[in-house]
Amino acid sequence: QSALTQPASVSGSPGQSITISCTGTTSDVGLYDSVSWYQQHPGKAPKVVISAVSNRPSGVSNRFSGSKSGNTASLTISGLQAEDEADYYCSSYTSISTWVFGGGTRLTVL
Amino acid sequence: DVQLVESGGGLVQPGGSLRLSCSVSGFSFSAYAVHWVRQAPGKGLEYVSTMNVNGGGTYFADSVRGRFSISRDNSKNMLNLQMSSLRLEDTAVYYCVKGAGPTRSSYLDYWGRGTLVTVSS
Repeated sequence: QSALTQPASVSGSPGQSITISCTGTTSDVGLYDSVSWYQQHPGKAPKVVISAVSNRPSGVSNRFSGSKSGNTASLTISGLQAEDEADYYCSSYTSISTWVFGGGTRLTVL
Repeated sequence: DVQLVESGGGLVQPGGSLRLSCSVSGFSFSAYAVHWVRQAPGKGLEYVSTMNVNGGGTYFADSVRGRFSISRDNSKNMLNLQMSSLRLEDTAVYYCVKGAGPTRSSYLDYWGRGTLVTVSS
């Protein structure tokens, strides 16, 4: 199972919005509405910010939103804050009953 | 609060074996699928394995299938990962992760802090 494709890095200024893409195939992202997104600060464990494409778990800021079109999912963070600077990973359930992650995107808040 | 605490990591030689454990609390362990995910130093997340509730199904990444096994003891709120024939590329922090539901397709919600496995001669 090949990793999902994410941009290596994105950046934005405080208050701006950014979008991170996550491209898979018809065997994962395109097949299931199971894309989730994780935020990971340095030295910390990942934390889920979006589940099932666009659901925000309790406690996650409404500045985080998710969507999907075909084989590509997207995470949008609006009103960027310094605390959003982190690595972001997408993940999808697959047709072979496993999970696959994206390579990760480093978000820099300028 | 949901807590997952991994243990058992350490230094092991190539070809060796190691058993990781994950002690959980704060939720009804027997009602949820559980997963292992790893992260090599400076690299991204990599899926390793899943076990459904009551051991009803086990799933593995191609990179570890046949070398790793997963088990759970619901009476002790414990998840295990038995790793054998370890390779240099198995070096990583191994995370124990709770599923959001009982099946393998339930997304991964709560993560432990991880335990470091180093495979080196």
